[in-house]
Amino acid sequence: SQKIEQNSEALNIQEGKTATLTCNYTNYSPAYLQWYRQDPGRGPVFLLLIRENEKEKRKERLKVTFDTTLKQSLFHITASQPADSATYLCAPHRPDGSGNTGKLIFGQGTTLQVKP
Amino acid sequence: EAGVAQSPRYKIIEKRQSVAFWCNPISGHATLYWYQQILGQGPKLLIQFQNNGVVDDSQLPKDRFSAERLKGVDSTLKIQPAKLEDSAVYLCASSLDWSDITSTDTQYFGPGTRLTVL
Repeated sequence: SQKIEQNSEALNIQEGKTATLTCNYTNYSPAYLQWYRQDPGRGPVFLLLIRENEKEKRKERLKVTFDTTLKQSLFHITASQPADSATYLCAPHRPDGSGNTGKLIFGQGTTLQVKP
Repeated sequence: EAGVAQSPRYKIIEKRQSVAFWCNPISGHATLYWYQQILGQGPKLLIQFQNNGVVDDSQLPKDRFSAERLKGVDSTLKIQPAKLEDSAVYLCASSLDWSDITSTDTQYFGPGTRLTVL
């Protein structure tokens, strides 16, 4: 069955450093991979999407890579700030055989703590 | 643009009682999702609606959970009777149109309802 794995342990880094979060998947060939941010007591918020034919995507201080050979996506936050502290979820998906968009499958999330 | 609305935000019930959650998606969004999120885990899809039809309810425990979206807009999720293991956050999300193959199905989530079953 499809399996999504993210760093289960919290990631603690110092303000100003680059945070790198990993998303690995098995038994799956996603066409897209989305990253969401979730703050305590709130629903996830969409951040970035990368397609299987894109190696890298950037948005302000965020960068996502997608390696279909390694079956892995990396999510980077450069010049991290305490306000970046949250749980980050990856969600790969691909259109299903019926011609629909398909179903998102969420990883368990990685909690990032940025210390001042 | 108003976001996805959910109510109540918190609910505490005894096991074997029933509970209902309500969701109002973003206006114009055809697709509505209910997820269950247990502490420390990612959201798990319970049921997906396309307008007022069910697309996927394969992970919905149908002996105790039910959901409807009668007019293709807002939706309710019910648990009857509740078990201790149902303690979780129930998230509602919507997207523009899941049936559009060109869509990337970006989902917009509500704040969730935190359910505690004692």
